[in-house]
Amino acid sequence: NAGVTQTPKFQVLKTGQSMTLQCAQDMNHEYMSWYRQDPGMGLRLIHYSVGAGITDQGEVPNGYNVSRSTTEDFPLRLLSAAPSQTSVYFCASSSQLAGDYNEQFFGPGTRLTVL
Amino acid sequence: ILNVEQSPQSLHVQEGDSTNFTCSFPSSNFYALHWYRWETAKSPEALFVMTLNGDEKKKGRISATLNTKEGYSYLYIKGSQPEDSATYLCAFNSGYSTLTFGKGTMLLVSP
Repeated sequence: NAGVTQTPKFQVLKTGQSMTLQCAQDMNHEYMSWYRQDPGMGLRLIHYSVGAGITDQGEVPNGYNVSRSTTEDFPLRLLSAAPSQTSVYFCASSSQLAGDYNEQFFGPGTRLTVL
Repeated sequence: ILNVEQSPQSLHVQEGDSTNFTCSFPSSNFYALHWYRWETAKSPEALFVMTLNGDEKKKGRISATLNTKEGYSYLYIKGSQPEDSATYLCAFNSGYSTLTFGKGTMLLVSP
């Protein structure tokens, strides 16, 4: 099992550019989420999905779009990048089985810089 | 937005010291409390999932306790080693699909 994979690992964008951060998991987890990590702010939830075709907003959704067409993939789209979106982005997945208590498995992260 | 607080924000100890940090969370609608260990340049890894009031979990030199009635959990590290240096995150789960993370306690252990 590869677990949770993310691509790219690093990305530099110019203000106004768009891009998609990819996330995939091979654990057949129903739940997937995107977080951003900024100094002094911990992990903040951007968007999440409880299954294919279902997505919802987290704490900081503005400027990001998501879709979930398959169980395995959960891409995060930046429509028009802004310097405020410079951050490290983590994708996570978890099982929704009762005994797993939504323990999350994290990908390796994508470090994004917006100039 | 649920309030999950961790203290201290950072901690610097010497090798061999024992240390502990705190996570406080809402005492209502409790489902689970997670502890994660997060090394620099890596991704967070699960340490413990705690679900019952009075729970104690242990993994090697690291242990955790849980008090759901008053809304806090302690993480203890006995005889800290430099490889324990990391950020320790707690995350509160009220039974919905999302976790609410604290900002973490950054531990540095000097040889």
